[in-house]
Amino acid sequence: EVMLTQSPGTLSLSPGETATLSCRASQSVNSDFLAWYQHKPGQAPRVVIYGTSTRATGIPDRFSGSGSGTDFTLSISRLEPDDFAVYYCQLYGTSPPFGGGTKVEF
Amino acid sequence: QVPLVQSGTEVKKPGSSVQVSCKTSGATFTSFAVSWLRQAPGQGLEWMGGIIPMFGKSTYAQKFQGRVTITTDESRTTSYMDLSSLRSEDTAVYFCARGPRPLTSGDLNFYYMDVWGRGTTVTVSS
Repeated sequence: EVMLTQSPGTLSLSPGETATLSCRASQSVNSDFLAWYQHKPGQAPRVVIYGTSTRATGIPDRFSGSGSGTDFTLSISRLEPDDFAVYYCQLYGTSPPFGGGTKVEF
Repeated sequence: QVPLVQSGTEVKKPGSSVQVSCKTSGATFTSFAVSWLRQAPGQGLEWMGGIIPMFGKSTYAQKFQGRVTITTDESRTTSYMDLSSLRSEDTAVYFCARGPRPLTSGDLNFYYMDVWGRGTTVTVSS
């Protein structure tokens, strides 16, 4: 079973800065099989990236995803107040695992 | 309009069972895969299981095997998640989510989830 480890646990940044979030798989995976979600307290999670690098509908181009093999990255440039949230990576599969999350805080 | 409408808050005793429903107000679930996930207090998201209604296949995370059952109704407009033998550690917010379904019946993968319900709080307490 593949496990996903996200780092850092918390990222303290200011609006306008760039967030770089890491998601590492315990073994090499299909490079097109990764998604990222944004989750705010009391709300439903929202997919921001799928297929490792495809932005979901309505997601601005400040969000970008990349990676292959075991290492994947979500970058958020020019942080806006609405971007501060917890972000999870998720691997597609028959029992899709999630990473533990990275909190992007102001 | 909320695409996925979940049932309301539940308070249950240890050892009992709970059923959470998820009704779609848009397209039926036939063309999608439906997942059920949960988030316990202070924890991250956890995939519990899912169903691909077109192929009639349900898959469960090993952790929940034997305790969870995920179904859809005949009209494929409502999905149900039944969790039995509840314990305090099952206290969580439970989400349903919809995503693209595999193109062939031999593909049992669950992909990304692009439409989510707002969550149902289940509290297990004596």
